[in-house]
Amino acid sequence: EDQVTQSPEALRLQEGESSSLNCSYTVSGLRGLFWYRQDPGKGPEFLFTLYSAGEEKEKERLKATLTKKESFLHITAPKPEDSATYLCAVQAYYGGSQGNLIFGKGTKLSVKP
Amino acid sequence: SQTIHQWPATLVQPVGSPLSLECTVEGTSNPNLYWYRQAAGRGLQLLFYSVGIGQISSEVPQNLSASRPQDRQFILSSKKLLLSDSGFYLCAWSAKTALGFQYFGPGTRLLVL
Repeated sequence: EDQVTQSPEALRLQEGESSSLNCSYTVSGLRGLFWYRQDPGKGPEFLFTLYSAGEEKEKERLKATLTKKESFLHITAPKPEDSATYLCAVQAYYGGSQGNLIFGKGTKLSVKP
Repeated sequence: SQTIHQWPATLVQPVGSPLSLECTVEGTSNPNLYWYRQAAGRGLQLLFYSVGIGQISSEVPQNLSASRPQDRQFILSSKKLLLSDSGFYLCAWSAKTALGFQYFGPGTRLLVL
């Protein structure tokens, strides 16, 4: 069964304290892995997509990396405005969920000034 | 540019009452459309998706239904709401040529009392 697990569930950082969020996945043929940011009471906002192991994408203080089993979202010198829930999702080539996104439960990031 | 609208933004309904949530997309044609539910402490759960007018696929058995009467309109309905239907409902769209890229609407907060 295709599955996505994110850790930790919650992460509290001081402003400027770099860290990483993890997304482990089990999928029958990875078509793509997606990172979204979700602010409270709003819809998820697309951040990155990764397609193959070794691929990296960057946007401001965020950097996403991908291996054959997991993805990391690295946050460098975070600011309070980076506080949000970060969602990871995978899309499979095969199986019952073929073509659709399977989401993890998310990591809630809080950055204190 | 493409935009996605959902209404209402918030809804409080009694148990046993009907439901109709609407989603419309602007700035694109023939999109794939999706309905998700996000409950507290749980990930995004795909409820329905549609690849075209009148074409609806259901991912989970439930007392909800979906319809796509027009190319860019997606409606989520229920004849009789249950307490367990409370949650945050998100509509999303993707272009048929874009692998996995799903863009989400602002969401509808539904509370069933």
